[in-house]
Amino acid sequence: KAGVTQTPRYLIKTRGQQVTLSCSPISGHRSVSWYQQTPGQGLQFLFEYFSETQRNKGNFPGRFSGRQFSNSRSEMNVSTLELGDSALYLCASRTGTGKYEQYFGPGTRLTVT
Amino acid sequence: QKEVEQNSGPLSVPEGAIASLNCTYSDRGSQSFFWYRQYSGKSPELIMSIYSNGDKEDGRFTAQLNKASQYVSLLIRDSQPSDSATYLCAVYSSASKIIFGSGTRLSIRP
Repeated sequence: KAGVTQTPRYLIKTRGQQVTLSCSPISGHRSVSWYQQTPGQGLQFLFEYFSETQRNKGNFPGRFSGRQFSNSRSEMNVSTLELGDSALYLCASRTGTGKYEQYFGPGTRLTVT
Repeated sequence: QKEVEQNSGPLSVPEGAIASLNCTYSDRGSQSFFWYRQYSGKSPELIMSIYSNGDKEDGRFTAQLNKASQYVSLLIRDSQPSDSATYLCAVYSSASKIIFGSGTRLSIRP
C-alpha cells in the first residue's frame, strides 16, 4: 500500500502571502490530521478531518484552515503568512474508526521570509 | 502541566544496552498510547501502540503501560546506532485528539 503523500515538499513564501498544502492519505483511510512542527513548540495539532467534516481543531488562529474532499485527500491553507509560520507541516492519516494508529507523510517544509 | 510529558534528553546509551524512555500524561480518560521514532529531517514513524495495562513486545521494542500511574514507557533492547533518533510519545485523549510529547533525543554510543 502506498503511504501518505504530501505536496509540495518544500516551499518558500513571503510574509503576507497565502499558501495551500496538499495531502493524500493511505488508501482506505478516511481521517486526515494536520500538525505543525517547530523546534521550539514540538508537534502541534492543527485539525482533523473525517469524511469531509472537520472533526477536531487545535489552538491555532483562523488564518489556518483546511478541507477534505470526497476521495479523502485534504488541503490546508494558511493566509497572511507570518515569519512564525515557518515550520514543517505534517499530515497523518488513519482509518478514522476503531484503532487510532496514524501514519505520517514526509511533510512540507515551509519557509516564510 | 503539559498534557504529555517526556524528558527531552539527550539520553546517551552504550551500544548493546537497554534504552528506557518514559512518558507521563495528564488525561486520565486516555485510552490509546503510541511511540513514534523521528530521525533528524524526517517525519515521525509509528513503532509501537499499546491499549491495555502491561507490556507489549515487538522485536527489540517493549512498550509498557500503567494507567493508574498515567505512565507509558518504551524499552529498546540491544540498542544499535541506528536507534539514535528522537522518540515521541503520543496519547489519544478523551477529547478525541492525539497529543504528542516534545520527544526524547536518544543517542547510542558505539
